[in-house]
Amino acid sequence: GENVEQHPSTLSVQEGDSAVIKCTYSDSASNYFPWYKQELGKRPQLIIDIRSNVGEKKDQRIAVTLNKTAKHFSLHITETQPEDSAVYFCAAFSGYALNFGKGTSLLVTP
Amino acid sequence: SQTIHQWPATLVQPVGSPLSLECTVEGTSNPNLYWYRQAAGRGLQLLFYSVGIGQISSEVPQNLSASRPQDRQFILSSKKLLLSDSGFYLCAWSVGRYEQYFGPGTRLTVT
Repeated sequence: GENVEQHPSTLSVQEGDSAVIKCTYSDSASNYFPWYKQELGKRPQLIIDIRSNVGEKKDQRIAVTLNKTAKHFSLHITETQPEDSAVYFCAAFSGYALNFGKGTSLLVTP
Repeated sequence: SQTIHQWPATLVQPVGSPLSLECTVEGTSNPNLYWYRQAAGRGLQLLFYSVGIGQISSEVPQNLSASRPQDRQFILSSKKLLLSDSGFYLCAWSVGRYEQYFGPGTRLTVT
């Protein structure tokens, strides 16, 4: 089955800096890659996604890039703010379901 | 717009007791439905998914079961809870195969 690896597990940045979270996947048939943000005690929220026919997608301060050849994708957050602090999960769709990475705990310090 | 509900929000149950968690979706027809479990500080583990009434696929063999008695209702059950069943249970829906949206979750503590 699909295996999704996510790095780093924790990330601390200063407000205004950029943050990058990276994921790799194993199944070359995976064709959809969402990112979720989960605040403490809350549900995961879909923040951005990318399909396999696209290399990059942006939405304001967040962007996702996909390298199908290398089977990795990344989340980029620019001009980080304290409210960006949360756990971020990547996922890859394979077969019938999403397979999630183990999450990255992002802390943005003022 | 679509809305997903889960109840109860929190639950404390003794080991060996039964479990029933319910999830309902409003504002869409024939959604794909999913049950996930998230242990404390851990990732999301897919437990069950359903593409239609009465159609349940299990990802992880365990003492949990799922049922879909109606198009927009998904139920997670257990006859006897284990300590290891504690966690945050999330229901999710999607139309088609991709974008999944999560419910508010049920926090289960087995004592």
